[in-house]
Amino acid sequence: SYVLTQPPSVSVAPGKTARITCGGDNIGSKIVHWYQQRPGQAPVLVIYFDTERPSGIPERLSGSSSGNTATLTISGVEAGDEADYYCQLWANSRDLPLFGGGTKLTVL
Amino acid sequence: EVQLVESGGGLVQPGGSLRLSCEASGFTFTRYAMTWVRQAPGRGLEWVSAMSGSEGSAYYADSVKGRFTISRDNSKNIVYLQMSSLRAEDTAIYYCAKVSDTTFGATSNYFDFWGQGSLVTVSS
Repeated sequence: SYVLTQPPSVSVAPGKTARITCGGDNIGSKIVHWYQQRPGQAPVLVIYFDTERPSGIPERLSGSSSGNTATLTISGVEAGDEADYYCQLWANSRDLPLFGGGTKLTVL
Repeated sequence: EVQLVESGGGLVQPGGSLRLSCEASGFTFTRYAMTWVRQAPGRGLEWVSAMSGSEGSAYYADSVKGRFTISRDNSKNIVYLQMSSLRAEDTAIYYCAKVSDTTFGATSNYFDFWGQGSLVTVSS
């Protein structure tokens, strides 16, 4: 079965750039979505179709995907970006939705 | 404004049953599939079940197949999750979410709006 691998944690200083990765076999050929979950809150969609931002999501958040890695990039990190981030995809049309294990972003 | 409000969670003994409800508003309910995603304490997100918007096809994770049943009342804009034969490992916050399309199962599906969740605790 398909496996998605995320680093458990990423730390970054305020104002710097955070890169959260999601690894999977040939993930660049699949459609990846990203969710942000702040402490004690429900998940929020922040990136869909690899690179698209829903209304209300700041341009500081961007997505990319190539080869075996999809990446969520957060530029100019702020304290409010501290959250867990999950990637999600469908391995193929016969499978069911799959989430990565999540990455906790800590703003130093 | 899309709103999803879950209810029905609580404490239940192992082997017991519980029904969760998710009342939706702010969009044309019948045009979208709906899904349930859970999160065990201190753990990540786990997809549980979904139902398509129109023809009502149901989908389940292997971990709940045969024990959970999803349904929807399109006249009331409510999606339900009937849970039976509950186990300790079913303890989690259960989130209802709107799917981006009518049909569930497309590789382009994503979950664009989420409710605040309902806590289910399975314990004796």
